[in-house]
Amino acid sequence: GAVVSQHPSRVICKSGTSVKIECRSLDFQATTMFWYRQFPKQSLMLMATSNEGSKATYEQGVEKDKFLINHASLTLSTLTVTSAHPEDSSFYICSAIGGGHPTYNEQFFGPGTRLTVL
Amino acid sequence: GENVGLHLPTLSVQEGDNSIINCAYSNSASDYFIWYKQESGKGPQFIIDIRSNMDKRQGQRVTVLLNKTVKHLSLQIAATQPGDSAVYFCAETITGTASKLTFGTGTRLQVTL
Repeated sequence: GAVVSQHPSRVICKSGTSVKIECRSLDFQATTMFWYRQFPKQSLMLMATSNEGSKATYEQGVEKDKFLINHASLTLSTLTVTSAHPEDSSFYICSAIGGGHPTYNEQFFGPGTRLTVL
Repeated sequence: GENVGLHLPTLSVQEGDNSIINCAYSNSASDYFIWYKQESGKGPQFIIDIRSNMDKRQGQRVTVLLNKTVKHLSLQIAATQPGDSAVYFCAETITGTASKLTFGTGTRLQVTL
């Protein structure tokens, strides 16, 4: 149990376009989802925390108008990278926690989405 | 900002040997710690966790040690196998902060035959 999926797994887009990444909790209701960015050979950096039905909370230095997050249901959060540029190329990973899961604090991670902006 | 040019420290061990991966955490208020394994192109995978009221916890082939005095965590893997090759991250959090995790820099474990 506690499976988190992401779609797409890889995406290549042209500079200036927008890209949407989906994060789904498949077998539990995710009260909170997190979005991370990971550059090559570096650690995961938290971008934002997303709670169902409310606005996301962004970490310092993350542009909320560039990285739009929507957590419309208890099983789905989306991250839209708007007007993407080559420096946005990265590995984007989501995670989820759910109050219905036995280990409340445990974050379950998705497989990640590799974004390449040309 | 990002640490441009940062290279992950690498630990090379022979198959069958024990591995010890170290992590220094930053916040003395952190009270819950987790080790994750990340294989290339995949998301992090939970390995083992420990709360600050403990200094040692054992799982299957893995042991986590916590030294709060010097803010240090270690992950010990017994009888390391080729499938253990990955990048290992420690993460810290404070209970009650909406489970926000702060990840360490990571260590690449290479298992040689």
